[in-house]
Amino acid sequence: EAGVAQSPRYKIIEKRQSVAFWCNPISGHATLYWYQQILGQGPKLLIQFQNNGVVDDSQLPKDRFSAERLKGVDSTLKIQPAKLEDSAVYLCASSLVVREKLFFGSGTQLSVL
Amino acid sequence: RKEVEQDPGPFNVPEGATVAFNCTYSNSASQSFFWYRQDCRKEPKLLMSVYSSGNEDGRFTAQLNRASQYISLLIRDSKLSDSATYLCVVTVNNAGNMLTFGGGTRLMVKP
Repeated sequence: EAGVAQSPRYKIIEKRQSVAFWCNPISGHATLYWYQQILGQGPKLLIQFQNNGVVDDSQLPKDRFSAERLKGVDSTLKIQPAKLEDSAVYLCASSLVVREKLFFGSGTQLSVL
Repeated sequence: RKEVEQDPGPFNVPEGATVAFNCTYSNSASQSFFWYRQDCRKEPKLLMSVYSSGNEDGRFTAQLNRASQYISLLIRDSKLSDSATYLCVVTVNNAGNMLTFGGGTRLMVKP
């Protein structure tokens, strides 16, 4: 069974530039999550989708971050414009149903210079 | 108070030792509890779910204490390969939808 796919694996940009991350969850998983993990900390939930609807985005900095999951499968997370403090690993995860165990992709390591 | 709290460690233990970690949570309505393991520069992977009656998987035992609002992870006969960061995950909102991670506890098992 294929796991959660994420791309790119690494990204280096300068502050004020834009960046986008892509995630393809495990087939059949209705719930998709984007987490931000800063070095030395636990993952912080940015946004949670159930199919193509948003369940929770209370911790998403909406002035610069946006995410979509148009057809209830793939998802993209965008940052525009990026700040130095956005340097982190962005993890995508999926689960079959809400509150069930998460399966993570390998993450995208973002460095903002 | 953080919604999910863990002692960051590191816990330095010799091979063969028994070690235990706790994770406290603030929302008494939390329904789902998990322990994840994260190796350096890797993604978190599920170690075990935590059930109300407690559960065991080989050398690992997880327990839930609803009255005191914490979960625990016990590792017996520690191996070098157990060295990692252990993350607890708890549902924290009233709808029970939001899976929130603690900051993680780092374990280092030494020969």
